[in-house]
Amino acid sequence: QQPVQSPQAVILREGEDAVINCSSSKALYSVHWYRQKHGEAPVFLMILLKGGEQKGHEKISASFNEKKQQSSLYLTASQLSYSGTYFCGTQPFKAAGNKLTFGGGTRVLVKP
Amino acid sequence: DTEVTQTPKHLVMGMTNKKSLKCEQHMGHRAMYWYKQKAKKPPELMFVYSYEKLSINESVPSRFSPECPNSSLLNLHLHALQPEDSALYLCASSQGKALAGSTDTQYFGPGTRLTVL
Repeated sequence: QQPVQSPQAVILREGEDAVINCSSSKALYSVHWYRQKHGEAPVFLMILLKGGEQKGHEKISASFNEKKQQSSLYLTASQLSYSGTYFCGTQPFKAAGNKLTFGGGTRVLVKP
Repeated sequence: DTEVTQTPKHLVMGMTNKKSLKCEQHMGHRAMYWYKQKAKKPPELMFVYSYEKLSINESVPSRFSPECPNSSLLNLHLHALQPEDSALYLCASSQGKALAGSTDTQYFGPGTRLTVL
């Protein structure tokens, strides 16, 4: 079952912050975050494992709330290069380590 | 190096044609994937090869035929496609940790944009 991402789209000014959420109805083992720019490959950002770990990539960080089965991606002091579509990929417990189901995506536009 | 290459970048084919998409990685990964991505939608898993054997087929129509000749190479053979098969076809690779209780990072190629007329 596809995880639900929110919001569907967000427009930011350079330097502003944003949060993207990814929620699953299943108990998750891991959440993978990717960013895809128009016409390009999805680029891996980070993996969150069960246990509420926080990870970071540039000024992008993420957390995993086991109780809610929700991961949040934090875009801090956004840069123009952060524009793109962000996808979360989820791996439920007992699912194979190589099978991800992607959420619908969140389109982020950072303006000067 | 986390590069996955795909050829061709663009492909236009008729419904009666036979064509192939190619994917290559030299990271020593043992799992390779095919995804289909429609505009403004997430990637949808089609096939997974693990250690050169087909391990996952997400009920993909037989007009799509995957092949993994060796651990570095993955092909997708196309035959008698329909216009609704037009999409971006993404290849990915990962180390190959397929067991439950493990997790694996997938690295994507740039994709082949396929148009079926």
